[in-house]
Amino acid sequence: GQQVMQIPQYQHVQEGEDFTTYCNSSTTLSNIQWYKQRPGGHPVFLIQLVKSGEVKKQKRLTFQFGEAKKNSSLHITATQTTDVGTYFCAGDTGRRALTFGSGTRLQVQP
Amino acid sequence: DAGVTQSPTHLIKTRGQQVTLRCSPISGHKSVSWYQQVLGQGPQFIFQYYEKEERGRGNFPDRFSARQFPNYSSELNVNALLLGDSALYLCASSLGSGGNTGELFFGEGSRLTVL
Repeated sequence: GQQVMQIPQYQHVQEGEDFTTYCNSSTTLSNIQWYKQRPGGHPVFLIQLVKSGEVKKQKRLTFQFGEAKKNSSLHITATQTTDVGTYFCAGDTGRRALTFGSGTRLQVQP
Repeated sequence: DAGVTQSPTHLIKTRGQQVTLRCSPISGHKSVSWYQQVLGQGPQFIFQYYEKEERGRGNFPDRFSARQFPNYSSELNVNALLLGDSALYLCASSLGSGGNTGELFFGEGSRLTVL
């Protein structure tokens, strides 16, 4: 079945440093979504990428979708303590289900 | 407007018992999905319902079942509980009716512990 791999599993940065998480799917995706889950919370939707090579920005967050629609990345510029949490990518193959990666847990040291 | 609501928030069961989890979607959302999240992992798809019909099923045993009611609320049932069923069960609602899932709005989840 479809698999979505995400690296790294964990990253600890100093406040102000940049952070990047990478996501790779075993199959071509119709779209990819990103979610953030705070400790003890539930996943919250961040963004959806649909087009090959698409790049979207949300303030300090930059999301990219690969040309082959099989990989994606999330980059955070100048991290803040409010960025703490686990970031999940989720691949959509058009079969009414998302396949989530295992997540990247971000810890930000003040 | 209320978000996705789930009940109960926490529950403890013993092996072999049965559990029913409940979910009310955001008003106007006709699609409900269920996901299982084991500690330290990403959510794993269990079911999707749209207009009271099952539209998708993940790789879970037949001990897992679900249904959606005319008011679009949903229940997830798990029979013959195993220790490995201990997890956070997330319900998500969405507008999506086609093949693509669309943005999911998750509830706070029901944390199930099986002893």
